[in-house]
Amino acid sequence: EADIYQTPRYLVIGTGKKITLECSQTMGHDKMYWYQQDPGMELHLIHYSYGVNSTEKGDLSSESTVSRIRTEHFPLTLESARPSHTSQYLCASSVQVSGELFFGEGSRLTVL
Amino acid sequence: LAKTTQPISMDSYEGQEVNITCSHNNIATNDYITWYQQFPSQGPRFIIQGYKTKVTNEVASLFIPADRKSSTLSLPRVSLSDTAVYYCLVDRNTPLVFGKGTRLSVIA
Repeated sequence: EADIYQTPRYLVIGTGKKITLECSQTMGHDKMYWYQQDPGMELHLIHYSYGVNSTEKGDLSSESTVSRIRTEHFPLTLESARPSHTSQYLCASSVQVSGELFFGEGSRLTVL
Repeated sequence: LAKTTQPISMDSYEGQEVNITCSHNNIATNDYITWYQQFPSQGPRFIIQGYKTKVTNEVASLFIPADRKSSTLSLPRVSLSDTAVYYCLVDRNTPLVFGKGTRLSVIA
């Protein structure tokens, strides 16, 4: 079992609210990632980090931001949520850039 | 970007062997081929990775021909619980990019 946890699992909020999706892993992995996935669609990489104080934007432009102050923690923040942000957000971690990714169970966000 | 092409969907009956083929014509020398499985409402799960010839684990086998421009994931004797989306990825030491995958439906 992968030790990577995401909270909340489900969130319904109104437009304009600020939200933070939490992701924590206890495996000591340096590499962490956020993917966004709409139902039945492919995953899109939106942010990644190679270690503390390192963050990069992924292939899909996103209005979200991330931080990496601690190795085990990689939160994603939306300053002002909009209905277009409705999606599933998946966090993952790995030992190396390539190789096996361990995914969390996802956070399903609905913005009304 | 290492592009892969695989069938959008496949159907199979329980107990059959399922082979999903992926093409990756622009694979580079140091790239590996990796397959993931994703169930609804869950994150993808690593299945198998290979470089060339054949790799087998307790879940699946991966066949890679000499030119490495394609690969085939083989699932022996599938069950209903193998219904999922299967992703073929080229792993080239950059953050993994997932395509659309192959939606496998196993029928009783």
